[in-house]
Amino acid sequence: QSALTQPASVSGSPGQSITISCTGTSSDVGGYNYVSWYQQHPGKAPKLMIYEVSNRPSGVPDRFSGSKSGNTASLTISGLQAEDEADYYCSSYTSSSTLNVFGTGTKVTVL
Amino acid sequence: EVQLVESGGGLVKPGGSLRLSCAASGFTFSSYSMNWVRQAPGKGLEWVSSISSSSSYIYYADSVKGRFTISRDNAKNSLYLQMNSLRAEDTAVYYCARDFGGKMAFDPWGQGTLVTVSS
Repeated sequence: QSALTQPASVSGSPGQSITISCTGTSSDVGGYNYVSWYQQHPGKAPKLMIYEVSNRPSGVPDRFSGSKSGNTASLTISGLQAEDEADYYCSSYTSSSTLNVFGTGTKVTVL
Repeated sequence: EVQLVESGGGLVKPGGSLRLSCAASGFTFSSYSMNWVRQAPGKGLEWVSSISSSSSYIYYADSVKGRFTISRDNAKNSLYLQMNSLRAEDTAVYYCARDFGGKMAFDPWGQGTLVTVSS
């Protein structure tokens, strides 16, 4: 099972919007609405930001939104803030025997 | 407060074994599937293994299948990962994470425990 493909880095200025893509196959991202997104600051554990493609857990700002089209899921951060600078990972259920696969990760830089 | 605390990490020689533990508190442990996820130094996240609430369903990544064994003790609110035949590429921070309400997501996560495989 190969990792889902994400851009290595994305950057934006405070207040701008950025979008991170996550590309898989019909056996994972494209086949199921079980895509989740995680934020990880340096030296910290990951934090769930989006589940089931577009749902936000309680406490996650509505600046974070998720969507999916075909085999590609996306995380959009609107009104970018300094504290959004972190690594972001997508994850998907997969119909293979391994159950779950993560993306390669994207470093978000706030300019 | 929901809390997950991993322990058992350390330095081990290639071919050696190690058992990780994850102590859970603040929720009904026996009602949730649990997971292990690892992160090699400077690298991305890699899902390792999942176990259902009653241990009926167990899954492994291909990279650890046949070498690692996940288990749980609901009476002790604890999750385990027995790691055998360790390789240098198993060096990573190992996180335990709770299933997020059956949504195929992970939340919350523990703080992680570092496993270093080196001679």
